[in-house]
Formats: sequence, C-alpha cells, structure tokens
Amino acid sequence: DSGVTQTPKHLITATGQRVTLRCSPRSGDLSVYWYQQSLDQGLQFLIQYYNGEERAKGNILERFSAQQFPDLHSELNLSSLELGDSALYFCASRPGQDNSPLHFGNGTRLTVT
Amino acid sequence: AQSVTQLDSQVPVFEEAPVELRCNYSSSVSVYLFWYVQYPNQGLQLLLKYLSGSTLVKGINGFEAEFNKSQTSFHLRKPSVHISDTAEYFCAVTTSNYGGSQGNLIFGKGTKLSVKP
Repeated sequence: DSGVTQTPKHLITATGQRVTLRCSPRSGDLSVYWYQQSLDQGLQFLIQYYNGEERAKGNILERFSAQQFPDLHSELNLSSLELGDSALYFCASRPGQDNSPLHFGNGTRLTVT
Repeated sequence: AQSVTQLDSQVPVFEEAPVELRCNYSSSVSVYLFWYVQYPNQGLQLLLKYLSGSTLVKGINGFEAEFNKSQTSFHLRKPSVHISDTAEYFCAVTTSNYGGSQGNLIFGKGTKLSVKP
C-alpha cells in the first residue's frame, strides 16, 4: 500500500460530460502529481501541485484542470469529455519538491462512451 | 528536454532465466533515474533509484540496475526471474533542474515482462 488513495476506482461516462477525480496523498506529502496512462501515449505527466500551488504543467489539455486543497488532497477535473480521454489517471505524491521517489495511487480508470 | 526510450515493448523469458530490460535516456543536464513496476490493475511501485554515488543500484525483489553515463543507459537486470515478476516495467528520469521541471518524472513507454514456466 503506497498510502496514496484515489477515488473512484472506475468511472464510466458519456462524451461531453464532466467528471472529478480525487486523490489523497500520503500523510505529510506536500507535492501531488497527476499522470495519464493510455495505450498509445503511455504515461504522460499532466500537472503538479505543491502545498496548494500549481508548480508545473505537462501535457494537460485546456479542458482539464486541477487543484490542491488546504488539507492537501487534490482533484482533477475533466470536462467536455471525448472518447480519447479514456485512460487510467494516476495520482502520485512525495514529501517536497526534491527528487525522492514518487508514490503512486492505484489509479482511476475512466471510460468515455 | 528529457526523454526515455525503452527499447523492448515485450520481453518473454522462462522462469529462472536471467533478464535485462533496456532503458536509454537523453538529457542535457544531470539526471536521476528510476525503475517502477506495475502489476495488473495496480499503480506503479518503485523498484530502485539512482540519485548519486555507486552506479550499481540494488532494488527490491532481487532487481538491480547500472547507471552508465557515457552510454546514457540504465538497464534493469535480474539473474533469475520468477513467475511473479510478470508485470510491466517503466524506466523514468527526472532532472535536478528545480527551476523548471520540479522533479517531474518522464517515463518510458514500458516493457512487458512475461515469465513462462
């Protein structure tokens, strides 16, 4: 158990809809990262937050947004969903902004129909 | 920008045989390297990491990897695999450039290791 909790585990929704994925980092970890894993693109970094502030953006679409709350949990919002957004979305955390290993949750599998 | 190439998408091997999963990276700055394993329907679990010091690093489950700066490689090895090692393995790199990447991991596309009895 990595200590990173993601909910829900599975999500099935229709095109055009909006969903929210939730992540609770390991106790004491201030940095949260979101990754998307798909068959064609592999693991892609989306966005990073540190102690409530956005710190880095990767290949995140404008239809996607995220935030980190004062209790350090994070939410990834995906809107105007398309079939191609179907993927496994991972959250990961680490204590700070150093290069210590990331600890991953078990992911949320999103299926857009 | 950094990138990671895992040369083999699938590696089939018999139980108790040795295995090497290849990883090459490109970066214009110093890097930190990681290997993660992903079992079916699970998240990624850290196998081992290279941050500094000895270029031969040992990880969990009997795996080890060697950092070769001149060849920009970080190949993963295990002398004798088990059925339970069947999983997907990801090589990842990050840099020490705190002003930019903030330690974000760049992953390779993964290598599926299939251990057969």
